[in-house]
Amino acid sequence: AQKVTQAQTEISVVEKEDVTLDCVYETRDTTYYLFWYKQPPSGELVFLIRRNSFDEQNEISGRYSWNFQKSTSSFNFTITASQVVDSAVYFCALSEAGPDAGNNRKLIWGLGTSLAVNP
Amino acid sequence: DGGITQSPKYLFRKEGQNVTLSCEQNLNHDAMYWYRQDPGQGLRLIYYSQIVNDFQKGDIAEGYSVSREKKESFPLTVTSAQKNPTAFYLCASSGQGAKTQYFGPGTRLLVL
Repeated sequence: AQKVTQAQTEISVVEKEDVTLDCVYETRDTTYYLFWYKQPPSGELVFLIRRNSFDEQNEISGRYSWNFQKSTSSFNFTITASQVVDSAVYFCALSEAGPDAGNNRKLIWGLGTSLAVNP
Repeated sequence: DGGITQSPKYLFRKEGQNVTLSCEQNLNHDAMYWYRQDPGQGLRLIYYSQIVNDFQKGDIAEGYSVSREKKESFPLTVTSAQKNPTAFYLCASSGQGAKTQYFGPGTRLLVL
């Protein structure tokens, strides 16, 4: 069965600290996608990144970086020099990516990590 | 601007009442989804639709109904059979290949 675990329920940091959000997944599929979404206090989920299981390159986007390691089934998300605007709940998710997935790719969601960045 | 809109932002339901949540997208996406989010829980899939006039039950479809008469619209009705409807409801859509789901701002449903 597919499963996504975000072991950190809540994290609190002081502004400018670096913080890493952990995501561990389980799947029997050889082809899959991994996602990170941000949910600020307003409630809307904002898409941050999608990673294909064949692409293990780390990615950096500004202060955000992602470390994908198939060997440990992890897809961790690091925020460098955190800011108050980074305060949100962050969700990791997993979906099938193979040809049998069709036009609907059901997302398996972690329970989220609530990040509080204090000034 | 392209995007997904949901209305209303807040909705109040009386006992025994059916209420309908609106979801509209102008992204020309084929697939649309409804999720329910409760405090401390992840998102749970209620219904999804891959194409007009077709939809499938998700993990928690009981007490809910949907329609997909137009590509742009995927309204969700919370029926009186749903005994615990208080939650945050999120609508999403995805385009060709359905790789990434994009979300609307959500509707918060409260029971009076």
